[in-house]
Amino acid sequence: AQSVAQPEDQVNVAEGNPLTVKCTYSVSGNPYLFWYVQYPNRGLQFLLKYITGDNLVKGSYGFEAEFNKSQTSFHLKKPSALVSDSALYFCAVRERTSGSARQLTFGSGTQLTVLP
Amino acid sequence: NAGVTQTPKFQVLKTGQSMTLQCAQDMNHNSMYWYRQDPGMGLRLIYYSASEGTTDKGEVPNGYNVSRLNKREFSLRLESAAPSQTSVYFCASIMDGPSEQFFGPGTRLTVL
Repeated sequence: AQSVAQPEDQVNVAEGNPLTVKCTYSVSGNPYLFWYVQYPNRGLQFLLKYITGDNLVKGSYGFEAEFNKSQTSFHLKKPSALVSDSALYFCAVRERTSGSARQLTFGSGTQLTVLP
Repeated sequence: NAGVTQTPKFQVLKTGQSMTLQCAQDMNHNSMYWYRQDPGMGLRLIYYSASEGTTDKGEVPNGYNVSRLNKREFSLRLESAAPSQTSVYFCASIMDGPSEQFFGPGTRLTVL
């Protein structure tokens, strides 16, 4: 079974400061890892993914995430936060051997608020 | 290229009524999914279809049925709606390989 934990329901950060949204996971074997963002009354938008290779993954809108196998973590980061980054962020995991189902398991989400 | 589309956007039902949520994708994806989103619980998988002609239960299938009408369309049916089914419903699809899922805009359902 696979699971994802996002330990913080809410993260507040001042505009211009760096931000981190935390994610840890549990999965058999090596994972595929994803971050999605959801703006109010919208669907989920893909930000970035880790498949293999470099542990630092760069994605859309200046976001990046670091895969740490030993700590089973995939934290989302951005060097300088914008007010427009305020949204709900979801981490998701998939087993590499999930076959044709390719099911994602999502964390409970972290509400990011960037204060002007 | 519209991506994943869902209808309706909003719906209010009375307890016991039935309805079908429609989902279509134009990306030629094999696999499609239905999720529900409730506050503080993330997205939970209701049903999925790994390919045309197949459907399987996810984490929370009770009270729902699905139909994979063809490769493009995957519908979710509530036969007898209950207040516990008040939620936001998302459809998603995925291409083969280590790809991300693509999501529709969602249907906000209220059951009174």
